Amino acid sequence: SQTIHQWPATLVQPVGSPLSLECTVEGTSNPNLYWYRQAAGRGLQLLFYSVGIGQISSEVPQNLSASRPQDRQFILSSKKLLLSDSGFYLCAWSVGGEVSPLHFGNGTRLTVT
Amino acid sequence: QKEVEQNSGPLSVPEGAIASLNCTYSDRGSQSFFWYRQYSGKSPELIMSIYSNGDKEDGRFTAQLNKASQYVSLLIRDSQPSDSATYLCAGGTPYSSASKIIFGSGTRLSIRP
Repeated sequence: SQTIHQWPATLVQPVGSPLSLECTVEGTSNPNLYWYRQAAGRGLQLLFYSVGIGQISSEVPQNLSASRPQDRQFILSSKKLLLSDSGFYLCAWSVGGEVSPLHFGNGTRLTVT
Repeated sequence: QKEVEQNSGPLSVPEGAIASLNCTYSDRGSQSFFWYRQYSGKSPELIMSIYSNGDKEDGRFTAQLNKASQYVSLLIRDSQPSDSATYLCAGGTPYSSASKIIFGSGTRLSIRP
């Protein structure tokens, strides 16, 4: 069966510091991978999605970036965090090559102070 | 801007009654629709997927899709206290080899004893 791992679970970072969140998927090949952010009390905002290694589509221009160095690894980064980057970051995967539901990791709660 | 709209609630339903959750979407290119349940502080979990017009039943849950009206709904029969959560509606639009899945802001459901 497929599993998705996301870490860390919680993170407190000062404004201006860098960020790296990592997500890996097991039990499937060539998944579609996604990063979403959920602000407190809000819905999920699509940040990035990827259909393959090195292929990243950005949905929201901001100070975040994403990379997919391996088939089942997805990384979210920032060089300098802003207060507005605080939120619940969720990685998700779906079956590649078709329209299918997302399966989420446990999320990372990021607080920028 | 492609959107998925939901009433934020809270929707309060007595235990044992039917809870009805509604969702509309603006992108006529959306082909797949999903309902997720999210408990406070947790990541969303998939409840139902629906791809064609009509009803789809799974246990106590029934999803309904009307593409002409751009309307999706979720019925929960015999509501239980454990159904108290935020319910997220999502629409998927094919793009390249993936699907862009856009979420509504969610409806908070409260089941009262």
